[in-house]
Amino acid sequence: QKEVEQNSGPLSVPEGAIASLNCTYSDRGSQSFFWYRQYSGKSPELIMSIYSNGDKEDGRFTAQLNKASQYVSLLIRDSQPSDSATYLCAVSSGNTPLVFGKGTRLSVIA
Amino acid sequence: DGGITQSPKYLFRKEGQNVTLSCEQNLNHDAMYWYRQDPGQGLRLIYYSQIVNDFQKGDIAEGYSVSREKKESFPLTVTSAQKNPTAFYLCASSDWNNEQFFGPGTRLTVL
Repeated sequence: QKEVEQNSGPLSVPEGAIASLNCTYSDRGSQSFFWYRQYSGKSPELIMSIYSNGDKEDGRFTAQLNKASQYVSLLIRDSQPSDSATYLCAVSSGNTPLVFGKGTRLSVIA
Repeated sequence: DGGITQSPKYLFRKEGQNVTLSCEQNLNHDAMYWYRQDPGQGLRLIYYSQIVNDFQKGDIAEGYSVSREKKESFPLTVTSAQKNPTAFYLCASSDWNNEQFFGPGTRLTVL
């Protein structure tokens, strides 16, 4: 059974701080890794994709992948109250449906 | 505008009734998916289809049925066999790189 694990939170950070969200996965054959943001009552929105080891930056977001440790993370710099949401980690092993974690709830305190 | 549409936004079902949720995409994606999300819970895969006229069961297919007669459309029927259907239903589609994009969702309530 392929699994994706996330700390459910809530993770509380002050406005302007760096929020660090973590995810581990069980399938060593995983090839594609995604972060989604889901506001309460809304559908998930894709915010980052990463496919190779290392860092990938997009604006205030940085995704980090370490395949040897089976670990992927999302850093949010200069956190804003509008970043308060649940963040879902998703992992893919080739041509199979994504496996989603249960999400980490982030709260940014003004 | 390219995207995924779901209708209706809210749906109410009486006991013993079958209902069909619509999902349409104009992204030219081959694969489409249906998920169920319960309050405070993660996404659970109901059915998925990687090509027209073919679909596979996900983790919680019992009580649901789907069809994929057109590339753009992947409707989900919630049958009376699904004993606890109240949930938020999400449709998604993806291309070759497996980036999934979600529709706005349908909230189903059993009366």
